[in-house]
Amino acid sequence: SQTIHQWPATLVQPVGSPLSLECTVEGTSNPNLYWYRQAAGRGLQLLFYSVGIGQISSEVPQNLSASRPQDRQFILSSKKLLLSDSGFYLCAWSDLNSPLHFGNGTRLTVT
Amino acid sequence: GENVEQHPSTLSVQEGDSAVIKCTYSDSASNYFPWYKQELGKGPQLIIDIRSNVGEKKDQRIAVTLNKTAKHFSLHITETQPEDSAVYFCAASKVTGGSYIPTFGRGTSLIVHP
Repeated sequence: SQTIHQWPATLVQPVGSPLSLECTVEGTSNPNLYWYRQAAGRGLQLLFYSVGIGQISSEVPQNLSASRPQDRQFILSSKKLLLSDSGFYLCAWSDLNSPLHFGNGTRLTVT
Repeated sequence: GENVEQHPSTLSVQEGDSAVIKCTYSDSASNYFPWYKQELGKGPQLIIDIRSNVGEKKDQRIAVTLNKTAKHFSLHITETQPEDSAVYFCAASKVTGGSYIPTFGRGTSLIVHP
C-alpha cells in the first residue's frame, strides 16, 4: 500500500533563516505531488504541484520554492523565511486512480 | 476556475444528533467530490467521495448526496459521536488525464458535545 512521509513534524525557525521540508511517497510510481499551506487552522492553500520529476507548477507567488529531484520526493524550500511563512504545511500525493492523500504535516513557526 | 462554497463554518451538535455540511460548486464540468476529515494536528484524511454519475453514497454513519443540476453536494453524519469532532473539507474537481487539482471548501468545524 502507499504511504506518505513528511518531516519534520514541527519546526521553529528565526526570520531570515533557510527552510527545507521534505516529503516522500512509497508504494506508487510517478505520482502527482502537492504542497499546501494551512493558515489559521482552516483553509487549504495550494502552493505547488508536480506531475513529474523537475516539473513544478506554482499556484501562488511566494517566498517559497519547490523541487522534485526524484520521482517520489518533493521538497519545499525558502532562502529567507518571513514571519508570514508560519503555518501548517501539508504534502499530498495522487495518481490517476485516486484522490489526494495527505501527510501529517509540518507545523512551522517563524520567530 | 472552480469555486467551492462550504457551510456552515462551525457546527455544534449533541452526541447522537445528525450533522449536515453543505457545499456548492461553480464548474458544471466537475465530476469528482471527495470529503476529508482533519483532526487536530494531523493532515486531512479522505472519508468518503462521490462521482458525478451517482446521486448518493453511504458508508456506515456517513453519506454524501450530489445534485448536479443545482451544483451542490452534502455530507450527512448520523448518530454523531465525540470522535466525529474535527474539521471537515469538501472538494470539487475534474478528473482528467494528467494533473488533478481539487478545489477545497474553507472547512467546517464540527463539535460533538457528549
